[in-house]
Amino acid sequence: RKEVEQDPGPFNVPEGATVAFNCTYSNSASQSFFWYRQDCRKEPKLLMSVYSSGNEDGRFTAQLNRASQYISLLIRDSKLSDSATYLCVVNTGRRALTFGSGTRLQVQP
Amino acid sequence: GAVVSQHPSWVICKSGTSVKIECRSLDFQATTMFWYRQFPKQSLMLMATSNEGSKATYEQGVEKDKFLINHASLTLSTLTVTSAHPEDSSFYICSASRDHFTFGSGTRLTVV
Repeated sequence: RKEVEQDPGPFNVPEGATVAFNCTYSNSASQSFFWYRQDCRKEPKLLMSVYSSGNEDGRFTAQLNRASQYISLLIRDSKLSDSATYLCVVNTGRRALTFGSGTRLQVQP
Repeated sequence: GAVVSQHPSWVICKSGTSVKIECRSLDFQATTMFWYRQFPKQSLMLMATSNEGSKATYEQGVEKDKFLINHASLTLSTLTVTSAHPEDSSFYICSASRDHFTFGSGTRLTVV
């Protein structure tokens, strides 16, 4: 079983749509959680950290459920510029990050 | 914010040759840096943890004699792919952490 699992997509949505991505992780001792965005042939860039209380940054809302070992990302009012691969990332305390394989989003005009 | 610079951004080399990739932390000191590899449509996979002044720690299945890591200063780690083969063609990315993990821009290696 992969340490971090994501639906690979692709998710094809029209501009303005709301889209949700899910992720599960296997290590219950995981300590911190993130969503990264990766554009084609580029390095990953931090989108937001994820907390149990839930956190919001503009159109983006992230949620963590430790009991279910489940992480989510909600994007409202999708823009064309949101098209990218979204990586669910977990820090298990080993100091390095563990990445999911990513969910590809394509926002269409 | 923390900046990590990686060089070169792309390289094409012949089979059997060696390629060196540099990773620098520009505005902070990094005693630890991480090297990842990403094949097309796959996740970033940790290859090794680079430790300043000591030996790197390699992940299971990564050959330490093939992927040489040197972390001689607090701002520079290098990854050398020795005797490169076409199956080593991949996207190599380094990372370091200050407030949060920051990535270099990656090196796309093509071995022909």
